[in-house]
Amino acid sequence: GENVEQHPSTLSVQEGDSAVIKCTYSDSASNYFPWYKQELGKRPQLIIDIRSNVGEKKDQRIAVTLNKTAKHFSLHITETQPEDSAVYFCAATNYQLIWGAGTKLIIKP
Amino acid sequence: KAGVTQTPRYLIKTRGQQVTLSCSPISGHRSVSWYQQTPGQGLQFLFEYFSETQRNKGNFPGRFSGRQFSNSRSEMNVSTLELGDSALYLCASSSGTGLDEQYFGPGTRLTVT
Repeated sequence: GENVEQHPSTLSVQEGDSAVIKCTYSDSASNYFPWYKQELGKRPQLIIDIRSNVGEKKDQRIAVTLNKTAKHFSLHITETQPEDSAVYFCAATNYQLIWGAGTKLIIKP
Repeated sequence: KAGVTQTPRYLIKTRGQQVTLSCSPISGHRSVSWYQQTPGQGLQFLFEYFSETQRNKGNFPGRFSGRQFSNSRSEMNVSTLELGDSALYLCASSSGTGLDEQYFGPGTRLTVT
């Protein structure tokens, strides 16, 4: 079945620097790739998603890239700010959403 | 529109007991998914209900079951509770196309003693 691997499990970056989180998936039929952010004590919320017919999508300081040939997709956060500190989850789906294990992003002041 | 609601928000049970958690999705949403989240762990998928039918199921024992009503509200039941069942249980609703955003509820914090 589908498997999604997410790396790194923890990422610590200096405020203002960029952060990149990578996910790989196994099912080549996957066609939808969302990213969710979960702040401490809060519920996960969608921050950006990409469909298989698109290679890149941007929304202000965040972007997602998709490489269908290599079966991996990445979340890029530029000019990181303290409020970016959270756990980020990637997911992939063809018919069932399969989740990555999560990345704890720490923004150092 | 109103968000996803879950009741109760907190629950303390004893080993061996059973528990029922409830989730009310966003109006118009037909899919409800359930997740277990433990400290330091990710989102462990339990099951998804769509139009009163279980559409997908994760790798959890049969002690975990669910159902969905005609108004799309869903319940999750855990029988013969174990200490390891202590977790945050999240439900999420969506339109059910499989390619759309999941809206999470605030969760039910279950503690088993």
